[in-house]
Amino acid sequence: EIVLTQSPGTLSLSPGERATLSCRASQSVSSTYFAWYQQKPGRAPRLLIYAASNRAAGIPARFSGSGSGTDFTLTITNLEPDDFAIYFCQQCSDSPYTFGPGTKLEIK
Amino acid sequence: QVQLLQSGAEVKKPGASVKVSCKASGYNFFNFGLNWLRQAPGQGLEWVGWISPSRGDTRSAEKFQDRVTMTTDTSTRTAYMELRTLTSDDTGVYYCSRDFSEGLVGLPGYWAQGTLVTVSP
Repeated sequence: EIVLTQSPGTLSLSPGERATLSCRASQSVSSTYFAWYQQKPGRAPRLLIYAASNRAAGIPARFSGSGSGTDFTLTITNLEPDDFAIYFCQQCSDSPYTFGPGTKLEIK
Repeated sequence: QVQLLQSGAEVKKPGASVKVSCKASGYNFFNFGLNWLRQAPGQGLEWVGWISPSRGDTRSAEKFQDRVTMTTDTSTRTAYMELRTLTSDDTGVYYCSRDFSEGLVGLPGYWAQGTLVTVSP
């Protein structure tokens, strides 16, 4: 099973700042099968980024994904109040399709 | 637009089974796989399994293989997930989610609202 580790566990930033979230895989993952999700309390997750760097429909350009192999990054520039949430990475390269434990982005 | 609507909350006794439904609309039901995922209270996301509505073939995480059955009813565009021999560890929100694209099996792109399953004596 591919284990995904996210860091930091919690990130405290202010609106307007830049957030950098990391996800490391226990073995190499094809970029095609790597995604990022945002989840707010009491809501279903929302797909942000697929294929490591492609924004899903309706996702602002402030969100960008990068990386390959075992190291992937989600960057959010110019943070807005609505961006404070939990972010999960996911791989669907090998079954079982696994998620990272999440990074909580909180307002400082 | 793609819409997925799950059945309502369930309360079950340990040892019982639960069957959650997910009704799809707004797209060609046959063309996209459906994932089942769960989230324990305050925890992260866990992939339970996947089903192809067109072929009926399934994949599931090994820890659920012996206890989960996923099916679809193409006449009503509805997917079902049954989980048997429930324990308190099965308490959580269960989500149905459509594959983002036809070529990306297991990448949940469109999500239903979730179904809370509570297992309690």
